[in-house]
Amino acid sequence: EVVLTQSPATLSVSPGEGATLSCRASQSIASNLAWYQQKPGQAPRLLIYGASTRATGIPARFSGSGSGTEFTLTIRSLQSEDFALYYCQHYNNWDLTFGGGTKVEIK
Amino acid sequence: QVTLRESGPALVKPTQTLTLTCTFSGISLGTGTVCVGWIRQPPGKALEWLALIDWDGDKYYSTSLKTRLTISKDASKDQVVLTMTNMDPVDTATYYCARVPDGNYLVFDYWGPGTVVTVSS
Repeated sequence: EVVLTQSPATLSVSPGEGATLSCRASQSIASNLAWYQQKPGQAPRLLIYGASTRATGIPARFSGSGSGTEFTLTIRSLQSEDFALYYCQHYNNWDLTFGGGTKVEIK
Repeated sequence: QVTLRESGPALVKPTQTLTLTCTFSGISLGTGTVCVGWIRQPPGKALEWLALIDWDGDKYYSTSLKTRLTISKDASKDQVVLTMTNMDPVDTATYYCARVPDGNYLVFDYWGPGTVVTVSS
């Protein structure tokens, strides 16, 4: 099973600043990684797949990078609606796993 | 327009079997490479993938839960059903169903609102 470790657990950011979230895989997963955003009481929303491809309708301030075992989600100039939980998910094989999540909170 | 909605009991007793139904629209499960999967989230905890059924009816399960899970589809009713046996209080969670638009990229682009299941005697 691929274990995904997200860091930091919590990130405190001021509106308008940028944020960098990390996801590390226990083994190489090529570029088979997705990122999701989840707000309280809501289902997750797909942001990024293929490590760097934005899903339909996702603003350009969200970008993903990485391959192999190290991945990053970058959010430029955080808007109020961006304060949420973020999860990574691998799909390198059929035994899918999610990371533990990073909470982006208002500083 | 793609929509999914989960349904099932809100409360189950320990050792009972949970049956959840995902009713969807705007999805042609059986054409292309579309899949439907189940994911759960215990209160205050991370997401956990449970099971997936693909366009051909092939089924995939979480390694840690595979002995307790069964996923099936009823294409005539546009439904996917998940059963989980031997429920325990640690299985208390919000259960989501979601669509995989392309079997080559096992990511979930449309999600149901989720259904809360509590396991308690």
